[in-house]
Amino acid sequence: DAGVIQSPRHEVTEMGQEVTLRCKPISGHNSLFWYRQTMMRGLELLIYFNNNVPIDDSGMPEDRFSAKMPNASFSTLKIQPSEPRDSAVYFCASSLAETQYFGPGTRLLVL
Amino acid sequence: KNEVEQSPQNLTAQEGEFITINCSYSVGISALHWLQQHPGGGIVSLFMLSSGKKKHGRLIATINIQEKHSSLHITASHPRDSAVYICAVTGNQFYFGTGTSLTVIP
Repeated sequence: DAGVIQSPRHEVTEMGQEVTLRCKPISGHNSLFWYRQTMMRGLELLIYFNNNVPIDDSGMPEDRFSAKMPNASFSTLKIQPSEPRDSAVYFCASSLAETQYFGPGTRLLVL
Repeated sequence: KNEVEQSPQNLTAQEGEFITINCSYSVGISALHWLQQHPGGGIVSLFMLSSGKKKHGRLIATINIQEKHSSLHITASHPRDSAVYICAVTGNQFYFGTGTSLTVIP
C-alpha cells in the first residue's frame, strides 16, 4: 500500500485565495484525521471523520475552514479565504484500529 | 496551563544509553498516544495506550492512569532514534504535548 497520500506537498498562495488540501487514506481504513502543526502551537487536531461522517470538528479554527469526506477514499480541507496565520504544515492521518498512519503533510505558506 | 506536559523538552544522549521521556496530563482521557516526528517532518504513531504497558522492539511505553502519567523508554538508543517525541491524549478532545527533542550521539 502506498500509505496516506496528500497533495499538494507544498503550496504557496496569496492572502485571500482559496486553498484546497487533499488526502487519500489507506484503503480499508475507516477513520480520517486532519491535523495542523505550527511552531507556535505545535500539533492540533482540526477534525476527524469516522466512516465518512465528521465526528469532532471542534478544532476547526473558524468558518474559513471546511472539511469534507465524500467517500471512503478521499477527503479535502479547504481554507477560504486564506490568511498568513494559516501558514503551517497540514497532516492527514487514517486508521482502522489503534494506530494512526500519517501522510507526509502539506506545507502551506500564505503570503 | 497546558493539559499535557512533557519532560524534558530537549535531551541529548550517547548511543547505547537508556532514555526516558515523561508525559503528564491533567484531563480525563480514554487513550494516550506517543508519536515520533523525524527531522524530515514525517510523523509515525508509536503507541496507543489506555492502561499498563506496551513494548515494540526497543521502545516501551507505560501509563499510570491514577497518577495521570506516561513514560516512553528507549533501550540501547541509536542515532536513528533522534527525533521529536510527542505525547497526545484523547478524551473529550485531543490534547498534544509540545514534544521532546531527542538527539542520540554516536
